[in-house]
Amino acid sequence: DAMVIQNPRYQVTQFGKPVTLSCSQTLNHNVMYWYQQKSSQAPKLLFHYYDKDFNNEADTPDNFQSRRPNTSFCFLDIRSPGLGDAAMYLCATSLESAGYSNQPQHFGDGTRLSIL
Amino acid sequence: AQKVTQAQTEISVVEKEDVTLDCVYETRDTTYYLFWYKQPPSGELVFLIRRNSFDEQNEISGRYSWNFQKSTSSFNFTITASQVVDSAVYFCALSRMDSNYQLIWGAGTKLIIKP
Repeated sequence: DAMVIQNPRYQVTQFGKPVTLSCSQTLNHNVMYWYQQKSSQAPKLLFHYYDKDFNNEADTPDNFQSRRPNTSFCFLDIRSPGLGDAAMYLCATSLESAGYSNQPQHFGDGTRLSIL
Repeated sequence: AQKVTQAQTEISVVEKEDVTLDCVYETRDTTYYLFWYKQPPSGELVFLIRRNSFDEQNEISGRYSWNFQKSTSSFNFTITASQVVDSAVYFCALSRMDSNYQLIWGAGTKLIIKP
């Protein structure tokens, strides 16, 4: 009964070839997050959705886009992956109402992206 | 500046030993939340605990306990009678009221429990 599901678990793409990572949730949480995590580092927030409102972090490259077609699904699109984009991508959800993150985030298992 | 420091990059202990992971934070906010997450080798981040700034009670959950001290801006995590399954990277994180849902993460402490 996984609650935040990420597909695929491993993704290999070629340099410059667009790739989409997906995330779905059964928790009905209003906030969904995408994080990038490189080896031996903390997760780095790329963007989040509060319901349908998209919020991009200031230092997220333009190469990264996201879509949230409904409450349950969220996608991360990398338009032209470079070697530096190889990382673990983590999707998370939370149920928030305070205007800032004060609730636990529930994470998926992550998608490990490799760039050839 | 708002910051979370986990000074211990890696800790290695033998099974059944007690171990404490340190977390020191800096914030200007009077209301804030602190979190601990566990990341086992499989990769998923698992929520362990949330503590708000107005609740300084220590918390115990089985072999896990947390010591929150505002006077020293610390939120330390102790595992009693450690087990091999406790081997993971542990992250401490701080909520930011001005940040629109961004957490401030510590660098993580890699805990290795040897059998």
